[in-house]
Amino acid sequence: DTGVSQDPRHKITKRGQNVTFRCDPISEHNRLYWYRQTLGQGPEFLTYFQNEAQLEKSRLLSDRFSAERPKGSFSTLEIQRTEQGDSAMYLCASSLISSGRSSYEQYFGPGTRLTVT
Amino acid sequence: GNSVTQMEGPVTLSEEAFLTINCTYTATGYPSLFWYVQYPGEGLQLLLKATKADDKGSNKGFEATYRKETTSFHLEKGSVQVSDSAVYFCAQIQGAQKLVFGQGTRLTINP
Repeated sequence: DTGVSQDPRHKITKRGQNVTFRCDPISEHNRLYWYRQTLGQGPEFLTYFQNEAQLEKSRLLSDRFSAERPKGSFSTLEIQRTEQGDSAMYLCASSLISSGRSSYEQYFGPGTRLTVT
Repeated sequence: GNSVTQMEGPVTLSEEAFLTINCTYTATGYPSLFWYVQYPGEGLQLLLKATKADDKGSNKGFEATYRKETTSFHLEKGSVQVSDSAVYFCAQIQGAQKLVFGQGTRLTINP
């Protein structure tokens, strides 16, 4: 079990550029989540997938954000026309949800730190 | 909506001191509750959890008891070590889907 991995770990970009982040969940996990964490705050939910279906999107996820999980395995999060307010740590998590399972633990990756200059 | 409130930090203690980090929540029903820890430069790690009222989660000497009467899930450790220095997050699961986190409490342990 290699855990949740994210790539890149750090990204510096200029305002107005597009960026894409990748998340590889724990292999047998069917749910994948994206969160955003700004300095000094707890993570905030952005969106989640069950297999390849995107089931919920937060109001924090503006039209400039899009997430995909095309084959139900890895996921990408793209931010178009980045703004300085997008600077944050973007966290990915995964979990295994099945009938009869009620504890709902989510396991987090190391995050991608985005800096928009 | 559902929320989590943690005691404000930062918290600074000496090694071997007793630790309490307060956490209260608002929710409809009885959500599962979690403590996550974030060490410097690392991602969030699940520290412990409790899934129903009166459950006690424990791990690495840390404990927290799910108290529905006071809607609390306070984190405790009897004797902290320098290696416990980190940011601690209390969280609840909302709608069996997304975690709702508190703002985090930064803990520093001095030798």
